[in-house]
Amino acid sequence: SQQGEEDPQALSIQEGENATMNCSYKTSINNLQWYRQNSGRGLVHLILIRSNEREKHSGRLRVTLDTSKKSSSLLITASRAADTASYFCATDAWGGKLIFGQGTELSVKP
Amino acid sequence: GAGVSQSPRYKVAKRGQDVALRCDPISGHVSLFWYQQALGQGPEFLTYFQNEAQLDKSGLPSDRFFAERPEGSVSTLKIQRTQQEDSAVYLCASSPPLREGGAKNIQYFGAGTRLSVL
Repeated sequence: SQQGEEDPQALSIQEGENATMNCSYKTSINNLQWYRQNSGRGLVHLILIRSNEREKHSGRLRVTLDTSKKSSSLLITASRAADTASYFCATDAWGGKLIFGQGTELSVKP
Repeated sequence: GAGVSQSPRYKVAKRGQDVALRCDPISGHVSLFWYQQALGQGPEFLTYFQNEAQLDKSGLPSDRFFAERPEGSVSTLKIQRTQQEDSAVYLCASSPPLREGGAKNIQYFGAGTRLSVL
């Protein structure tokens, strides 16, 4: 039973545009993480935001967290064809298992 | 090793057959996780080890699923009497010891084993 909901389920944009993905969760968290998965591959960690943080940046990635609304967003700026992948948010409540959302499938067209 | 290694990459099993999936975590990583990922879905937690101790097996869907990590390194996920609904990608992840003030519980994933039960 997955706790996270992500939207949109699929997103198609042109190279150079920004992509925004949203994630909602249900319970209290220690931190929230975003992972990327290329087709047929494992997940790769992108960025982590702690429950007491509201915004975090890493390169072309910007993550926001609103614990009052139990939601997070991932913004990828100036997207590239190589950003084409599935993106998952994952919540960590106590340093053990991660609870993943259903994912957003991003397609960036050259 | 350079990353988390899983074998086999692909496994085709006849219904009722037993299968064993192997995970080699990153050297020094004390925590090891197994997840099940159905097509088009996010990974779902199965079980978690800290060294050789299985601390959480709440995600194992039935008693046909069994995981072990006897020496605190390599782990095996065993599925007995496989059913068609067991068809999925099984992902293994490992993470280094948690440390105060540092990044917490970032998990490093293997490429997975794709299990198809016919």
